[in-house]
Amino acid sequence: GESVGLHLPTLSVQEGDNSIINCAYSNSASDYFIWYKQESGKGPQFIIDIRSNMDKRQGQRVTVLLNKTVKHLSLQIAATQPGDSAVYFCAEKEPGGFKTIFGAGTRLFVKA
Amino acid sequence: DTGVSQDPRHKITKRGQNVTFRCDPISEHNRLYWYRQTLGQGPEFLTYFQNEAQLEKSRLLSDRFSAERPKGSFSTLEIQRTEQGDSAMYLCATPGGPSSYNEQFFGPGTRLTVL
Repeated sequence: GESVGLHLPTLSVQEGDNSIINCAYSNSASDYFIWYKQESGKGPQFIIDIRSNMDKRQGQRVTVLLNKTVKHLSLQIAATQPGDSAVYFCAEKEPGGFKTIFGAGTRLFVKA
Repeated sequence: DTGVSQDPRHKITKRGQNVTFRCDPISEHNRLYWYRQTLGQGPEFLTYFQNEAQLEKSRLLSDRFSAERPKGSFSTLEIQRTEQGDSAMYLCATPGGPSSYNEQFFGPGTRLTVL
């Protein structure tokens, strides 16, 4: 069935350190993946995306890595800041369809 | 602020009552999505519109749920005979970003509490 999940439900990091949030997906036909950030009381906010023809994509302080062999993707946040504290979701676009399938999320705590 | 607005932001209702939520999307986008999110979980797809046509509905959308987009702009989601299990955040999203055709902008959501 549809499954996009996360390895760890919570992650605590020291301010200034790098954060790595992991995600596994099950549909080998999936060709588009997105990371979202959700702060309390707000809707999910797009962070970065990657297509299956890439294995790495960089944004501002964020990098997404995709390993299609093991169906795994990760979000790396450099120099984590208190404002990065939120729940992070990986998501995949349904191949040939309209919907986005979200995982359960990882809560990131940034310690000052 | 993503430009997607939802109303109301919070709704408390008694079991058995009907509720209706509204989403006003970013203008000029013909696609609109509704999702439901329960505490600690990721959003779950409910339905999708292209203009006024409802092209896909999730199995989660029972016959008590109905969504419309009459003029291809704003959309409404109605839940009839609400049940406690309907308590959740209801999110609306439209695409539209310079970086990705598939990027979705989410509204702030309507949090429904069914007593």
